[in-house]
Amino acid sequence: GAVVSQHPSRVICKSGTSVKIECRSLDFQATTMFWYRQFPKQSLMLMATSNEGSKATYEQGVEKDKFLINHASLTLSTLTVTSAHPEDSSFYICSAAHPTVGYTFGSGTRLTVV
Amino acid sequence: RKEVEQDPGPFNVPEGATVAFNCTYSNSASQSFFWYRQDCRKEPKLLMSVYSSGNEDGRFTAQLNRASQYISLLIRDSKLSDSATYLCVVNLGSTGRRALTFGSGTRLQVQP
Repeated sequence: GAVVSQHPSRVICKSGTSVKIECRSLDFQATTMFWYRQFPKQSLMLMATSNEGSKATYEQGVEKDKFLINHASLTLSTLTVTSAHPEDSSFYICSAAHPTVGYTFGSGTRLTVV
Repeated sequence: RKEVEQDPGPFNVPEGATVAFNCTYSNSASQSFFWYRQDCRKEPKLLMSVYSSGNEDGRFTAQLNRASQYISLLIRDSKLSDSATYLCVVNLGSTGRRALTFGSGTRLQVQP
């Protein structure tokens, strides 16, 4: 149990387009999901906390209008990178807390904006 | 100051060696502590939780010193498969309510 499925695993998009990343908790309900971003040789940095049925909480410096988060159900949270630019190229990863197993992570999405 | 600080390495060690990683955290209110392992271009995976009493899992031993806000990981008898980045991680709140805070990782390369 405690599986978080993240799609796509890799995406290449043109500058100015939008990309949607999905995270699903497959066998448990996740009222809260966390979205991180990791640049090469750097730490995972929290971008936002996604709460089912309410607005996401964004970390300082993360543009909420650029990184749209939707958590419409207890098993699905999405992150949309709007008007992507090359500097948005990064590894995006979601995480949810399973009630008994603890934190579990999606497999990550490697975004390349060209 | 970073919330969780680690020596980035890399640590290059021969197979069979013992290697130790250290980490410090800035927030004394941190409640739980972990070591994660991250392979290149993959998600982090929990290696072990860290307790004040110290804990061991096979070749891995973790220690926590709350007074010094210091966490350590010892790997004995290193294997080639131990090559990865080791992330020191703290949690300011209870599980699920707060996100984990990650160090930038220490890279380990075990050589034949």
